[in-house]
Amino acid sequence: NAGVTQTPKFRILKIGQSMTLQCTQDMNHNYMYWYRQDPGMGLKLIYYSVGAGITDKGEVPNGYNVSRSTTEDFPLRLELAAPSQTSVYFCASRIRGGKSSYEQYFGPGTRLTVT
Amino acid sequence: GESVGLHLPTLSVQEGDNSIINCAYSNSASDYFIWYKQESGKGPQFIIDIRSNMDKRQGQRVTVLLNKTVKHLSLQIAATQPGDSAVYFCAENMGRDDKIIFGKGTRLHILP
Repeated sequence: NAGVTQTPKFRILKIGQSMTLQCTQDMNHNYMYWYRQDPGMGLKLIYYSVGAGITDKGEVPNGYNVSRSTTEDFPLRLELAAPSQTSVYFCASRIRGGKSSYEQYFGPGTRLTVT
Repeated sequence: GESVGLHLPTLSVQEGDNSIINCAYSNSASDYFIWYKQESGKGPQFIIDIRSNMDKRQGQRVTVLLNKTVKHLSLQIAATQPGDSAVYFCAENMGRDDKIIFGKGTRLHILP
């Protein structure tokens, strides 16, 4: 299993541009999450999904959109990039139930800079 | 790697000693609490979790204690090693909403 993969690894955007951060997991996990981590800070939940076709807002959803058309993919869309969205973005997934029910598996992150 | 931990509180511990990392939470409805370790330049890595109806759970070299009365969680690491150097985060599952929210982290620094 590749686990959770994220693309791209790095990206520089100009203010007002749009982009999609890709996230894919091959573990057949029900739950998927998007977090952002500003330099030297903790993780903030942007959006999450408990299964295909279902998404919900987290702590900081403004300026972002998500979709979950398949179990494997959970892309995060930035429509009008702003400098405040400069951050490292982490995607995570977990399975419902199992030995450690709340073990999230994280991807390597996407480092985004908006200038 | 990125500057994870620059603005976070730091705990310095002598190699071989035990480490205790503390976390306060606010949501009484949270049903699970989780500890993560994040090394520089990487995503968080699961360490251990504990259900809200428990007050202690042990793993390999780690123990998590939960005190619901004062809404406090702690992670104890036995015989701290250089490889334990990282930022540690507590997180909570917000009950039926199923969203996992991270708390403030603590940077663990190992002294030789």
